[in-house]
Amino acid sequence: SQQGEEDPQALSIQEGENATMNCSYKTSINNLQWYRQNSGRGLVHLILIRSNEREKHSGRLRVTLDTSKKSSSLLITASRAADTASYFCATDNNQGGKLIFGQGTELSVKP
Amino acid sequence: AAGVIQSPRHLIKEKRETATLKCYPIPRHDTVYWYQQGPGQDPQFLISFYEKMQSDKGSIPDRFSAQQFSDYHSELNMSSLELGDSALYFCASSSGGLAGVQETQYFGPGTRLLVL
Repeated sequence: SQQGEEDPQALSIQEGENATMNCSYKTSINNLQWYRQNSGRGLVHLILIRSNEREKHSGRLRVTLDTSKKSSSLLITASRAADTASYFCATDNNQGGKLIFGQGTELSVKP
Repeated sequence: AAGVIQSPRHLIKEKRETATLKCYPIPRHDTVYWYQQGPGQDPQFLISFYEKMQSDKGSIPDRFSAQQFSDYHSELNMSSLELGDSALYFCASSSGGLAGVQETQYFGPGTRLLVL
């Protein structure tokens, strides 16, 4: 990946459990965005966190950003089978707005 | 709410043929981005346009070209197709462009290109 690593690459949990995915990046950023992708489908925007923000919530999602460590985490609480998908972080490095994606975490939530 | 529209959704071509992918951004969005996602890969930035001018260029082969038209829709033209061009091609749009703070990019459903 151009940007960095996401871990884990794959995560399998039971419905109701929490899922945490981590993303690291290499350069300074303007913002970091998390996307969800069902197999072979489009990318759905989940949440955007700016470089001057440390934490953001949206429903069952909680995103943290640590610019000193160049890392972010996405927490999905009380997971559901419908949360099964790949999750990508993407950074905007303030170079024209293009996004640089991480490798993604494949989440499987078993009912 | 209106989303990004891409056409066609699926495309099958032979090697060395030409393909044209179309993207219609969300109304009032002034910036369009193209990304390529190979099987099992993360999306890779190809090219972007702001107010009909190319604003950035990524890992786009010389065989590919793109433009943004006066109505803000964009087309990605791909010539001399190779087997390795088989991928999902996404278009995304945003508002704010180069002058403002970069905002959320909204992605279309993608065009799945298969080169045989």
